[in-house]
Amino acid sequence: GESVGLHLPTLSVQEGDNSIINCAYSNSASDYFIWYKQESGKGPQFIIDIRSNMDKRQGQRVTVLLNKTVKHLSLQIAATQPGDSAVYFCAENIEIKAAGNKLTFGGGTRVLVKP
Amino acid sequence: GAGVSQTPSNKVTEKGKYVELRCDPISGHTALYWYRQSLGQGPEFLIYFQGTGAADDSGLPNDRFFAVRPEGSVSTLKIQRTERGDSAVYLCASSLAPRDRGTGELFFGEGSRLTVL
Repeated sequence: GESVGLHLPTLSVQEGDNSIINCAYSNSASDYFIWYKQESGKGPQFIIDIRSNMDKRQGQRVTVLLNKTVKHLSLQIAATQPGDSAVYFCAENIEIKAAGNKLTFGGGTRVLVKP
Repeated sequence: GAGVSQTPSNKVTEKGKYVELRCDPISGHTALYWYRQSLGQGPEFLIYFQGTGAADDSGLPNDRFFAVRPEGSVSTLKIQRTERGDSAVYLCASSLAPRDRGTGELFFGEGSRLTVL
């Protein structure tokens, strides 16, 4: 498969440290936000989502924060592991039934975990 | 299989040729999406199927691109008169729809890498 992330901003993090990935979204009407992880040669994989009526949501080792005032989304990964090395994309969606789950993706951030 | 399956995984063609890319979604998923991902960028929406019909094809870049899903399961993305700018990874995703029944999480395949020489 294609290798992604050759020209993406890169976050280098020491194994065991926490990672914070930021994303600015574009559409103030968006009401659903998702973080995806993409490893080289693979398709994006769902990590966590959040709706616009929330400002924080936690999963296993991950937390997503949403600031609608400044249209900012962040993903926090606790105790980063080598398997977390990948490109991370935020995506936004407007909850219109006819639109299904059509997503608008951001540009992505590559996370490199150093042992 | 359990996931979204896409074939071929790699396709190299010459400018001007016709190409078909196939997507086999997760069984029972009524919604199917095609996205295109250029190197170093996020996926860009192309088209969305709900069942057999294209509910939204606003992302198709021009009339050289066409997609079908005749039986509401497998979908084929067709590209006529390919151009070098069509080179990208074409990703297919499926989900349970409509989203108000759940998260509407998209499950992506591994993509078909198209290279137009």
